[in-house]
Amino acid sequence: GENVEQHPSTLSVQEGDSAVIKCTYSDSASNYFPWYKQELGKGPQLIIDIRSNVGEKKDQRIAVTLNKTAKHFSLHITETQPEDSAVYFCAAIPGTASKLTFGTGTRLQVTL
Amino acid sequence: GAVVSQHPSRVICKSGTSVKIECRSLDFQATTMFWYRQFPKQSLMLMATSNEGSKATYEQGVEKDKFLINHASLTLSTLTVTSAHPEDSSFYICSASQLAGGNEQFFGPGTRLTVL
Repeated sequence: GENVEQHPSTLSVQEGDSAVIKCTYSDSASNYFPWYKQELGKGPQLIIDIRSNVGEKKDQRIAVTLNKTAKHFSLHITETQPEDSAVYFCAAIPGTASKLTFGTGTRLQVTL
Repeated sequence: GAVVSQHPSRVICKSGTSVKIECRSLDFQATTMFWYRQFPKQSLMLMATSNEGSKATYEQGVEKDKFLINHASLTLSTLTVTSAHPEDSSFYICSASQLAGGNEQFFGPGTRLTVL
């Protein structure tokens, strides 16, 4: 089955700096890679996703890049703000299934 | 669009009782719904996948008779934790997909279950 690794587990940045979270996956058939933001006591919220036929996708301060050859994808947050503080999860779905495999999560803290 | 609700948001029950959690897709038809469990500071663990009108598919290690899942309509799935024990205390989250085998999953706000 699919295995998704996520690094780092914790990340602290100053307000205005950029944050990068990286994930690797094992199943070359995976074709959908979403990123979720989870605030304390709440369900995950989809913030951006990318499909295997695209190398990069951007939405305002958030971008995701995908390297299919190396089987890794990354989340980039620019101009971080205190409200970006949360736990971020990457995930992958193999091509033949609908089940998400989640990474272990990254706790991002944006300090003033 | 694509809003998923859960009820209740929090529940406290005594050991040995059963608890039902509802998951509803408010503005779309969900052919597939998923139930996850999340322990503190951990990732989401998939418990089961349910398709409308058919039996749920449980992940390895998840007891079917303890976690009863019903997906009777395209907008409602329920998870019943039977004979709950303190070790069942957790954060339960559902998600829903709009298309059968579709990729995007929209998550509910979660239900915090505490078993005394």
